[in-house]
Amino acid sequence: DAGVIQSPRHEVTEMGQEVTLRCKPISGHNSLFWYRQTMMRGLELLIYFNNNVPIDDSGMPEDRFSAKMPNASFSTLKIQPSEPRDSAVYFCASSPGTSGGGLFFGEGSRLTVL
Amino acid sequence: AQSVTQLGSHVSVSEGALVLLRCNYSSSVPPYLFWYVQYPNQGLQLLLKYTSAATLVKGINGFEAEFKKSETSFHLTKPSAHMSDAAEYFCAVSEGSQGGKLIFGQGTELSVKP
Repeated sequence: DAGVIQSPRHEVTEMGQEVTLRCKPISGHNSLFWYRQTMMRGLELLIYFNNNVPIDDSGMPEDRFSAKMPNASFSTLKIQPSEPRDSAVYFCASSPGTSGGGLFFGEGSRLTVL
Repeated sequence: AQSVTQLGSHVSVSEGALVLLRCNYSSSVPPYLFWYVQYPNQGLQLLLKYTSAATLVKGINGFEAEFKKSETSFHLTKPSAHMSDAAEYFCAVSEGSQGGKLIFGQGTELSVKP
C-alpha cells in the first residue's frame, strides 16, 4: 500500500522565493496534518484538515505561510516569500480521523532557504 | 487539556541492555497513547499504540509499552538493545478532538553503544 507521499524531498531556494510543498495522503484517510521539525523547536503542528476543511491553523507562523486541500488526495503548503528561518523539514501526515487511529507520516521535505 | 512529558532528552544504553524510555501523560478523557520512532532523515513511524484494549501493548522491533493509569505513564521498553535501535522516539497522546490530532512529546534520542 502506498504511504503518504511528499514532494519535493529536498528544496534549496533563495530568500524571497516562493516555495510549494506537496502531499498526497493515504487513500481513505480523511485528516491531513502539516508539521515542521527543527533542532531548536522540535516537531510543531502547523495546520490540520478534516474532510478537506482546515480545522486548526493556529500553528501557522505568519501570513507568509498558507495551506490548501482542494480535494481528498492532495494538499499544498506554500511559503511566500521564504526566509532563511523557514529552513526545516516539513512533514505531512494523514490519519483515518479517529482518536485511536494514529498518524501516518511521509518522508518529509527538507527545505533550505539561503 | 492533553499533554505529554518525556523524561530525558537523551538516553544511552549498551548493546544488549534494557531500553527504558519514559513518558507521562495528562488527559481529561481516557487517553489513546502512541509511540513513534524516527530514524535519521526519515519520517516518524508508528511503533505501537494503546487504545484501551490491553494495558501491555506490543509493537514492532521487539518494543512494548505498558499503560499505567495510576501513574499516568506509558513507558517504552525493549529487553535487549540493538545498534539499529538508535533513533529518536516520540510519545504522543490523542487530543480527542475531531480528526485524530495528536499531542507529541519533545522526543528522546536513544544512543546504543557497542
